[in-house]
Amino acid sequence: GAVVSQHPSRVICKSGTSVKIECRSLDFQATTMFWYRQFPKQSLMLMATSNEGSKATYEQGVEKDKFLINHASLTLSTLTVTSAHPEDSSFYICSASVDPYNEQFFGPGTRLTVL
Amino acid sequence: AQTVTQSQPEMSVQEAETVTLSCTYDTSESDYYLFWYKQPPSRQMILVIRQEAYKQQNATENRFSVNFQKAAKSFSLKISDSQLGDAAMYFCAYRTGTASKLTFGTGTRLQVTL
Repeated sequence: GAVVSQHPSRVICKSGTSVKIECRSLDFQATTMFWYRQFPKQSLMLMATSNEGSKATYEQGVEKDKFLINHASLTLSTLTVTSAHPEDSSFYICSASVDPYNEQFFGPGTRLTVL
Repeated sequence: AQTVTQSQPEMSVQEAETVTLSCTYDTSESDYYLFWYKQPPSRQMILVIRQEAYKQQNATENRFSVNFQKAAKSFSLKISDSQLGDAAMYFCAYRTGTASKLTFGTGTRLQVTL
């Protein structure tokens, strides 16, 4: 099956700093990538959808200036959490798809802890 | 807005037995897809099975099968011959045919006992 990687798997940062998370499709070209957030013992909530070469579409309630998404190539999307605060601590998961309507393949997730 | 409801926060099954996880959804769309995802302790989301709404036949993948009741908007997952490796969180998810967004239910934690 298609493989999606995320880096880093865990990150701890101080409040006020910015953190970048990478999502890569390793063996296919992903026109569309998705970013989810999962709080402990809760479900996945879609944060934004990004299509290669265009601006991301954010879900209602997600601050686009705080969660910067870049999808500059068909194999890489990045999520930057700017000026992170403890309430941003969560598990961030990306998924990738060859097109918006095809199966999404999920990355292993990134655990962000903001102190 | 579409919603997905999983009413069983936790389920338990003995090894080799059968268990059914429930899922209901609400939509006014006629073209949509339903999915069951497994999230083991590693947190890696894995697609278990998918069902296209236009198909009357229930999807089956080895030991996993669904009972898709379109009129009742119900989409349950049956796991036969349960194995220890089936222990995980199971999420039901929905997507319309014209959008890419997946809407997930709240999940059911499945325990498999010896």
